[in-house]
Amino acid sequence: ETGVTQSPTHLIKTRGQQVTLRCSSQSGHNTVSWYQQALGQGPQFIFQYYREEENGRGNFPPRFSGLQFPNYSSELNVNALELDDSALYLCASSRTSTETQYFGPGTRLLVL
Amino acid sequence: EDKVVQSPLSLVVHEGDTVTLNCSYEVTNFRSLLWYKQEKKAPTFLFMLTSSGIEKKSGRLSSILDKKELFSILNITATQTGDSAVYLCAGDSSNTGKLIFGQGTTLQVKP
Repeated sequence: ETGVTQSPTHLIKTRGQQVTLRCSSQSGHNTVSWYQQALGQGPQFIFQYYREEENGRGNFPPRFSGLQFPNYSSELNVNALELDDSALYLCASSRTSTETQYFGPGTRLLVL
Repeated sequence: EDKVVQSPLSLVVHEGDTVTLNCSYEVTNFRSLLWYKQEKKAPTFLFMLTSSGIEKKSGRLSSILDKKELFSILNITATQTGDSAVYLCAGDSSNTGKLIFGQGTTLQVKP
């Protein structure tokens, strides 16, 4: 186990709703990255937070937003959910923005 | 556009076989190549490769990087049923701190 935890483990939402996913980074890690993994695909980078600031963003619309807190835990918020947002959402933490990323168990989101 | 391509997409072998998984990459400001194993949810870290020609080993697994040909391979010898998983490779870009993942190779090891 990596020490990275995520909550909830799974949830079901309907189109148009909003969702907040949470991630606690491994002790001593100040960087959190979020990824979306659709079924049968590799993870796609959403964004990274380093010391509470966004440090890079992938090709995701603004309705995907995030936060990192002083204890380096993080939230991913998705507004106006669409069916295509159904996926496994993974967070990964690293000691710095340039070091190996270790993944949490993920949150499986189903949008109906 | 940055991309990582893995082959084959799926593979079925029998216990004891040796397998080679392939990963080619085109990543701007490439820094390193990483391999992960994903069994159910969380990808677990296997290797990080930054230099060409230096093989990294962990038990029956080994990996090597060719920065000239933009290519990496992951070898698994004497496969076991517990090796059944999706193997992901990812390029690390120093530009943005993001990992660019391939589609993954699904390995099934039959008894």
